Amino acid sequence: NAGVTQTPKFQVLKTGQSMTLQCAQDMNHEYMSWYRQDPGMGLRLIHYSVGAGITDQGEVPNGYNVSRSTTEDFPLRLLSAAPSQTSVYFCASSYRVVAGGPGGQFFGPGTRLTVL
Amino acid sequence: SQQGEEDPQALSIQEGENATMNCSYKTSINNLQWYRQNSGRGLVHLILIRSNEREKHSGRLRVTLDTSKKSSSLLITASRAADTASYFCATEDRGSTLGRLYFGRGTQLTVWP
Repeated sequence: NAGVTQTPKFQVLKTGQSMTLQCAQDMNHEYMSWYRQDPGMGLRLIHYSVGAGITDQGEVPNGYNVSRSTTEDFPLRLLSAAPSQTSVYFCASSYRVVAGGPGGQFFGPGTRLTVL
Repeated sequence: SQQGEEDPQALSIQEGENATMNCSYKTSINNLQWYRQNSGRGLVHLILIRSNEREKHSGRLRVTLDTSKKSSSLLITASRAADTASYFCATEDRGSTLGRLYFGRGTQLTVWP
């Protein structure tokens, strides 16, 4: 299994440009999430999905869109990039935690985004 | 939004010593999880402890949970230089079936050879 994959690894954008960060998982996980990590901060949830066709907002959703047309893929779209969106973006997936299950989210390697 | 708070923010120890990190949170939870992040990498899940559990072990890791104090601790015994990383706690709200996690800001652990 490849686990959770993210592309690209690095990206530089100019203010106002749009782009899509790709995330895919091959573990048949129900849950997928996007986080951003800024220096000195923990991870903050942007959007999440509990299954194909179902998405919802996290703590910091403004400026980002998501969709989940398949179980495997969960792309994150930046509509009009701003310098405040300079960050490291992580995608994660997991099974629903059930009694006795191991739990825990699997994280991708991250995308380092700089907006000039 | 709820967020765990780790303490201390940074910890520096010698190889072979034990490392203890603490996490406090604000509301009732389903479970609390600990993650490790090596520099420039994604997070790796270490251990999950449910709200009805008080202690859990995994190899050199020992996690405790005190729901009355809304706190948890992560103990790494006999630390190694390879344990150098940031450690984060994350909580899932009680009653949540959505798998949403709230992360703290992390403890930066440095283990000197």
